[in-house]
Amino acid sequence: GQSLEQPSEVTAVEGAIVQINCTYQTSGFYGLSWYQQHDGGAPTFLSYNALDGLEETGRFSSFLSRSDSYGYLLLQELQMKDSASYFCAVAHQTGANNLFFGTGTRLTVIP
Amino acid sequence: NAGVTQTPKFQVLKTGQSMTLQCAQDMNHEYMSWYRQDPGMGLRLIHYSVGAGITDQGEVPNGYNVSRSTTEDFPLRLLSAAPSQTSVYFCASSYSVTGGPGQPQHFGDGTRLSIL
Repeated sequence: GQSLEQPSEVTAVEGAIVQINCTYQTSGFYGLSWYQQHDGGAPTFLSYNALDGLEETGRFSSFLSRSDSYGYLLLQELQMKDSASYFCAVAHQTGANNLFFGTGTRLTVIP
Repeated sequence: NAGVTQTPKFQVLKTGQSMTLQCAQDMNHEYMSWYRQDPGMGLRLIHYSVGAGITDQGEVPNGYNVSRSTTEDFPLRLLSAAPSQTSVYFCASSYSVTGGPGQPQHFGDGTRLSIL
């Protein structure tokens, strides 16, 4: 089976840095994805890590440690528009792009 | 490009009714999938397809059917609606896994379904 753990809520100040952690336990593992979802909206892709290390895309970075079954999403220079839910998701199958999602972390950015 | 289009956006059904949620994509993606999202439970995979004519079950397939007669369309059918199927349904598409797993998935805007 699959399980992912991430904090349910995080609050941070505008302009600060916040890290959202994700630990996983899966029967197969090919990589860890991150998606952002604003209230009432659709999930949108942020990043994917297949190998250990840090991937940077603008203000967002994502990290993976396969040996620790752990990853995180780092958001820098927080803006009010970053208030949203963030989901980690594991690619766990070969032959199909299926994802197993965590339950999400609701990030609230305060002035 | 419209991306992934889902219809309807909202629907209210009575228990026992059937209906089809429509999903179409114009990106020539081979992979398509349906997820449901319930409060506090993230997204759960219902059914998926890796190409026209090929479908398979995800985590929570009971009570749902799918078909994939064309690359563009992937409808989801509720056979006999139950209150437990009240949820937000998202369709997603991506390039096939032959490009490597973890291909970015493009989601539609969702269908908010209530079953009374």
